[in-house]
This record gives sequence, C-alpha cells and structure tokens, in this order.
Amino acid sequence: SNELTQPPSVSVSPGQTATVACSGEKVGSKYVCWYQQKAGQSPTLVIYQDFKRPSGIPERFSGSNSGSSATLTIRETHIMDEADYYCQIYDSGKWVFGGGTKLTVL
Amino acid sequence: EEQLVESGGGLVQPGGSLRLACAASGFSFSGDEMNWVRQAPGKGLEWIAYISGDGSTRDYGDSVKGRFSISRDDAKNSLSLEMNSLRVEDTAVYYCVREGDFGDHDAFDIWGQGTKVTVSS
Repeated sequence: SNELTQPPSVSVSPGQTATVACSGEKVGSKYVCWYQQKAGQSPTLVIYQDFKRPSGIPERFSGSNSGSSATLTIRETHIMDEADYYCQIYDSGKWVFGGGTKLTVL
Repeated sequence: EEQLVESGGGLVQPGGSLRLACAASGFSFSGDEMNWVRQAPGKGLEWIAYISGDGSTRDYGDSVKGRFSISRDDAKNSLSLEMNSLRVEDTAVYYCVREGDFGDHDAFDIWGQGTKVTVSS
C-alpha cells in the first residue's frame, strides 16, 4: 500500500521544536516532500527530497526519512508556522499525499 | 513572478460537465510537467491528474479516471481540466500545480490560488 499516515494534530509552544510524522509502507524507499498550507491559502513546498529546502524556506525547517517514517521538524517554532502540513511521495505513477497534520502553536 | 491562475469553477449539477483553465506566467511552462490537485471542504489534498512536458503522457487518480481529462496548450501557456459526469464528491477547490524538476526528484513548487467547484442539485 502507498498510503501515508499523519497524526491529525500536533501542538507546540512558541520557541519549542515541533515534529510531524509521516508513516507508510513505501516511505523509507521513496523521496518525501512536505507542504505547508496556512488557513485560506494555497500549499507551499517546504521540504523536497526528504530533507532539502527550497530557496526562501527558513533553516528552522528540516526533514528526515528512514525506515517506514519521515519527519518534518520545525525548530524555534513561530506563531506564523501554525498551518496544516502534508507529506507526499511519488509511487507507481501516482502522487500520494498524507492526510495532513494541523500544527497549533500556543 | 512565477504565477498560475485558475478559472472556470462554479456550481454544476450532478452528471454535468465543467472545464477548468489555468494560465501560467513568469516561467517557461512549455516543457514543464503539470498537475491538478484538489481539496474537498475541510479535507486534505488529493492529486488527480498529471501531464508531461510534451503532453504525450497523462495520468489520473483512480477517483477521476475515465471522467476527467487533462490537456495543455503551450502556445497559450495554459493548462485545462475537462470534468465530465460530475458527482457531489467532486466538490472541492481545484489547484493547478507545476511539478518542478529538482534533479533526482520532482516536487510541486508552484501552486495556483485555486478555483472552487461545487456539484449540487
């Protein structure tokens, strides 16, 4: 199965480190991308190829992938990081998204 | 500025048809792989269609295969999605998305603002 599972929600205090997990049978053998979607906005790419950041994405955002789980880590979390985060892989000619994780910063 | 602007969304009855358009600007478009992604109200992202840079290859998600058709017109820097036999569950915001080439791997690096499609009687 190429399904991706994410926790529905994660909470973090400002300044702390947030981690968002993405698990699935195919995760460890595929490159994982992460997208951030703030309320009322279109998604934005924040991590590609497991751990690489597009230009303009702060170094606070990092990614890792091993075994059957990938992780998005946000250090020194800001209020502006509050958003939904989606993981994604490409498998057998199809793009697959995880169900999304709502990150709350409070 | 690299930009994608969707249009064509609206209210349609079940069983009806709708054609979405996406205008690209600020980047080459010709030769770029393109996709459509949708998001039902309060739900997550769902990839639904892909077209290769030269238009020769098209792939679809299982939920829309046989009903939706993706096409492109490089002369007009435009992408289209023809949607037929629409169902209530097709109600969503539809995003036009560029699939950027990052070397070893692609990723969705440019997203439009989305166009809303409502299927209801």
